[in-house]
Amino acid sequence: DQQVKQNSPSLSVQEGRISILNCDYTNSMFDYFLWYKKYPAEGPTFLISISSIKDKNEDGRFTVFLNKSAKHLSLHIVPSQPGDSAVYFCAATLYTGTASKLTFGTGTRLQVTL
Amino acid sequence: EAGVAQSPRYKIIEKRQSVAFWCNPISGHATLYWYQQILGQGPKLLIQFQNNGVVDDSQLPKDRFSAERLKGVDSTLKIQPAKLEDSAVYLCASSPGTSGRAWYEQYFGPGTRLTVT
Repeated sequence: DQQVKQNSPSLSVQEGRISILNCDYTNSMFDYFLWYKKYPAEGPTFLISISSIKDKNEDGRFTVFLNKSAKHLSLHIVPSQPGDSAVYFCAATLYTGTASKLTFGTGTRLQVTL
Repeated sequence: EAGVAQSPRYKIIEKRQSVAFWCNPISGHATLYWYQQILGQGPKLLIQFQNNGVVDDSQLPKDRFSAERLKGVDSTLKIQPAKLEDSAVYLCASSPGTSGRAWYEQYFGPGTRLTVT
């Protein structure tokens, strides 16, 4: 049961343009949503998060939008830079009563071209 | 600040053999996680420790996987015996606490790539 889905396995964007990465989820009880970035041979690094009670969070070039009614979130990167080329994972947290559990999507590989 | 350390980085074993992975979290981080990432999938939580106690091991295949975190610092994950489907990257992560941003802002190590032949 894939509760967090990233339906686009890859995305190619020109340098300077906007990158939009999408994520859908099924569990309305998730309380935080996160984006992680992963370079080859490295572990994922935390990028940005949003609480389930918010609809937007911005940090520099990165903005995450949350649409709870559609169970959809997106990550916008403006402007895109070659160093942004990586795999981006959407993740969501769920408090189980004893611990909070992080569920990841399958990832979207972003390539920023010159 | 030193990051999360993991060793070995790569391991190749035959099925039915045993293997162990080691993780040293960021100093002072109370919570430690082990994840399994199969090619083409996102990381899947195997076990979560709070200090040296297990908080969640619901997705750990306990018939072959075991993990411990002695003295609330380093941790080892063991697979015995290994199966072909255990081929994956095993990621260790740590976080400072269990609430708010201190919990969900997890810091990951580089991972151990396991190949079972």
